[in-house]
Amino acid sequence: GAVVSQHPSRVICKSGTSVKIECRSLDFQATTMFWYRQFPKQSLMLMATSNEGSKATYEQGVEKDKFLINHASLTLSTLTVTSAHPEDSSFYICSARTGTSASTQYFGPGTRLTVL
Amino acid sequence: AQSVAQPEDQVNVAEGNPLTVKCTYSVSGNPYLFWYVQYPNRGLQFLLKYITGDNLVKGSYGFEAEFNKSQTSFHLKKPSALVSDSALYFCAVRDREGSTLGRLYFGRGTQLTVWP
Repeated sequence: GAVVSQHPSRVICKSGTSVKIECRSLDFQATTMFWYRQFPKQSLMLMATSNEGSKATYEQGVEKDKFLINHASLTLSTLTVTSAHPEDSSFYICSARTGTSASTQYFGPGTRLTVL
Repeated sequence: AQSVAQPEDQVNVAEGNPLTVKCTYSVSGNPYLFWYVQYPNRGLQFLLKYITGDNLVKGSYGFEAEFNKSQTSFHLKKPSALVSDSALYFCAVRDREGSTLGRLYFGRGTQLTVWP
């Protein structure tokens, strides 16, 4: 299957700092990328959907000024958690797929964010 | 409203025995259906999907799933479970049409434990 990479895999930061997470589709062009958040023993919560070159569409309740998403190319999307607080600590997973509606959505390995 | 139900939080099965992880859905129209597996602290790995055609879909690692339109189900099965199959399994559906085109809806996950 297609490969989606995520970097870093784990990050610890101080409260008030910003953290950037990168998501790359390694062997396909990702027309659409998704960012999810997962709490322990729970399902994935969709945060936002982004199409290359367009502004991201955020889910209700997700602060777009806090979670900045940039989908600058067909292989790269970034999520920046601005002014992070301990409640932002979570497992963040990106996902990508090509443009056809039947295409498979592939997931990155996830980033464990811990805000002290 | 679109929804996915995985009625069992936990499934336990002995190695070598068949396993079934259940999934039912409620989506308008004809959905695309997916199964993913998640190992601890990792992203989701794609197992299989139903788009159209044969109701029995074969996927990775010996897994298969049967699409049943009348029962709106898409149960995941494997004839002979392995200890290494122990993981968290997610069923997901995607609209073929409508304003939420492209979005995946996830079940809450089923923890599969295969004991030796």
